[in-house]
Amino acid sequence: SQKIEQNSEALNIQEGKTATLTCNYTNYSPAYLQWYRQDPGRGPVFLLLIRENEKEKRKERLKVTFDTTLKQSLFHITASQPADSATYLCALDNQAGTALIFGKGTTLSVSS
Amino acid sequence: GAGVSQSPSNKVTEKGKDVELRCDPISGHTALYWYRQSLGQGLEFLIYFQGNSAPDKSGLPSDRFSAERTGGSVSTLTIQRTQQEDSAVYLCASSPGRQGNQPQHFGDGTRLSIL
Repeated sequence: SQKIEQNSEALNIQEGKTATLTCNYTNYSPAYLQWYRQDPGRGPVFLLLIRENEKEKRKERLKVTFDTTLKQSLFHITASQPADSATYLCALDNQAGTALIFGKGTTLSVSS
Repeated sequence: GAGVSQSPSNKVTEKGKDVELRCDPISGHTALYWYRQSLGQGLEFLIYFQGNSAPDKSGLPSDRFSAERTGGSVSTLTIQRTQQEDSAVYLCASSPGRQGNQPQHFGDGTRLSIL
């Protein structure tokens, strides 16, 4: 079955630095990979989607890469701010195409 | 605009009782999903609706769990004879069509506590 891992449960960085979060997957080659942000007590909020034939996608201070050879996606937040503090989830579509499989998330804390 | 709405936001009940959780998706979204999130765990898929039918209900943990969707809109997740291990946040999401290349829009969940 598909397996998705976010290798850091927590990441602490200083304001202004670039945060890099990692998502690895096994046993599957997804056509799409998505990243979400979740704040405490709230549902996840969609950030970015990247397709298997796209190497990189950007949105404002966010950048996502997708390496299908390494089976890995990297999520970058440049010029990080305390407001970026949240849990970030990566997700990929299951083989049946009926649901998303989520990683457990990485909790990012940006200190000023 | 109106997002995905879930009710109640919190539910506390005694072990053995039945509970119903409601989800109002974004208008026009044909796909609807239920997930469960336990403390320290990732989101666990429960069931997927396309319109009123459920092509994938493989994530329902036991026959105590059921869900329905009516009018291609509102969905209800029912848990019968609740157990303490059912305590979790139940999240609903909707998307315009079949997922994969569609982002999912989530509600803020129902926090279920079984005493």
